[in-house]
Amino acid sequence: AQSVTQPDARVTVSEGASLQLRCKYSYSGTPYLFWYVQYPRQGLQLLLKYYSGDPVVQGVNGFEAEFSKSNSSFHLRKASVHWSDSAVYFCVSPDTNAYKVIFGKGTHLHVLP
Amino acid sequence: SVLLYQKPNRDICQSGTSLKIQCVADSQVVSMFWYQQFQEQSLMLMATANEGSEATYESGFTKDKFPISRPNLTFSTLTVNNARPGDSSIYFCSSGQGGYEQYFGPGTRLTVL
Repeated sequence: AQSVTQPDARVTVSEGASLQLRCKYSYSGTPYLFWYVQYPRQGLQLLLKYYSGDPVVQGVNGFEAEFSKSNSSFHLRKASVHWSDSAVYFCVSPDTNAYKVIFGKGTHLHVLP
Repeated sequence: SVLLYQKPNRDICQSGTSLKIQCVADSQVVSMFWYQQFQEQSLMLMATANEGSEATYESGFTKDKFPISRPNLTFSTLTVNNARPGDSSIYFCSSGQGGYEQYFGPGTRLTVL
């Protein structure tokens, strides 16, 4: 069965530091992949998406992600985080066998001011 | 993109009562999805609702406990029957175009006393 794995439940970084949040997927083909962010007490917002083509995709607020077929990964990056980036980040992929999506467990990002 | 609205934003109810959560889309959508999110956890898909047909429930969720209506292409209602403290969580509706990004409502925070 398809799966999306976010190995880091919590990540703490200092403001201004660079960030990488990891995501691994299991699918033999090339999946669609998304990163969503959930700020405290809010709904989910789409950060960026990958369908095909350039493996590096740009998102909102300076986020980018890189798709790697060889590593089955879709890691999220940001060059310099801000305290307001503190949130939960979900890696998501559609289930190719069903009309629904698969969520990773999420990574709680805490940015120290 | 699709904008989704949910009502109420939050609700507090007594054990054994029932409550309804409404989801409205600003445009017609084929499928609506309902998710449950416990604090500090990922989203769990409860069911998929298409217009004019019975909702399809995921394992662990039943139509007796969580009946869902989908009377038209912009509206869906989730009911929580015989609410228990264990049902206290945030409920999200979402809509997507199979294989592509999903859009989420702001969520309804339910507390069952």
